Amino acid sequence: SAVISQKPSRDICQRGTSLTIQCQVDSQVTMMFWYRQQPGQSLTLIATANQGSEATYESGFVIDKFPISRPNLTFSTLTVSNMSPEDSSIYLCSVATALYEQYFGPGTRLTVT
Amino acid sequence: AQTVTQSQPEMSVQEAETVTLSCTYDTSESDYYLFWYKQPPSRQMILVIRQEAYKQQNATENRFSVNFQKAAKSFSLKISDSQLGDAAMYFCAYRSGSRLTFGEGTQLTVNP
Repeated sequence: SAVISQKPSRDICQRGTSLTIQCQVDSQVTMMFWYRQQPGQSLTLIATANQGSEATYESGFVIDKFPISRPNLTFSTLTVSNMSPEDSSIYLCSVATALYEQYFGPGTRLTVT
Repeated sequence: AQTVTQSQPEMSVQEAETVTLSCTYDTSESDYYLFWYKQPPSRQMILVIRQEAYKQQNATENRFSVNFQKAAKSFSLKISDSQLGDAAMYFCAYRSGSRLTFGEGTQLTVNP
């Protein structure tokens, strides 16, 4: 398994500002992912964070809105840019192990006012 | 595209009894993985159990077991001897390659 931490655990932000969420893993992993969970809904994949190259975004998500960094095999950041109330969600970092199991961080609860 | 369907938005069970949560999926692939995740109010996603599609034997983890019917594309979760701590949202998930697709979830209530 993998132990994943996220910062911040929650935040309340003003419309039009940006927030950067950090994800730290206790071991080197090849694959890291960012998910969004809107209130009362399931998880939706935003992007796969690739080490040393640009992230791979899912349909409906763009780099200008959700820029991602992956400087090494244990760390990634997701920025939510130019926020609106519709961005209020839980954002979860996830990693996949060689056993094809996927583990999740504790999530960041974002509220945009 | 793969889809995962959980037809039971809510389920309830008496403590110490058994409950089964349903999940179906749609895929044209032959090599994939299926998972059940639990999300308690703390919102932490916890991996409950995993099933490889190439394995005919159903996975078991303590009180949790699955009924995997590959031809029917069905993957149900059975929780035996339910405990109060089992109360949570349960998500079925399908993985092929690197992409994990989730169902809409089933909210499980455990009654004392």
